[in-house]
Amino acid sequence: DVKVTQSSRYLVKRTGEKVFLECVQDMDHENMFWYRQDPGLGLRLIYFSYDVKMKEKGDIPEGYSVSREKKERFSLILESASTNQTSMYLCASSFLSSGGRNEQFFGPGTRLTVL
Amino acid sequence: GEDVEQSLFLSVREGDSSVINCTYTDSSSTYLYWYKQEPGAGLQLLTYIFSNMDMKQDQRLTVLLNKKDKHLSLRIADTQTGDSAIYFCAEIMTGGYQKVTFGTGTKLQVIP
Repeated sequence: DVKVTQSSRYLVKRTGEKVFLECVQDMDHENMFWYRQDPGLGLRLIYFSYDVKMKEKGDIPEGYSVSREKKERFSLILESASTNQTSMYLCASSFLSSGGRNEQFFGPGTRLTVL
Repeated sequence: GEDVEQSLFLSVREGDSSVINCTYTDSSSTYLYWYKQEPGAGLQLLTYIFSNMDMKQDQRLTVLLNKKDKHLSLRIADTQTGDSAIYFCAEIMTGGYQKVTFGTGTKLQVIP
């Protein structure tokens, strides 16, 4: 079974802190994604990566950065956390395929609260 | 725009059928998906349909696709309490890296 793990299920941070969210997948997937999930807004793509050291902005990249130094690991960084970044953060991975069904496999999520 | 829209809530009685609806925007989408998110968990692919199909049935699940109206629906027959979850439809855009756009999610509540 594909496994996507996230470093924390719950996290509480203070405004202005630097926050690292880690995601690891064990299926040698090329693509990795970070989403945030907010009630009534669904999932919104923050950043994605299709290869080591490659990153692309999603729909809402402001206030976030990412790092992909190894294929299996994709980190989301909040340089200076703000209260409007309180949310559920979901990591996902998938194979790089063109024309295929491109199923994404999700981690359990990290619920981040910024005080 | 690239909005995928769903109603936010649906409440059904156990044993009834549930129908969750979705409208999407990209007429060139190749695959359309239904993901399920149980409480406290990430999303899991429930079923999918290729864009050249009108219908797909998988046990209690029936997916209907109306490409003319860009309308996708998920029917769950004999709904059980274990079906209580948030259901997301999603479309995969053609071109580039094949971006997946998710809907807002429909929270299904099954009343015993």
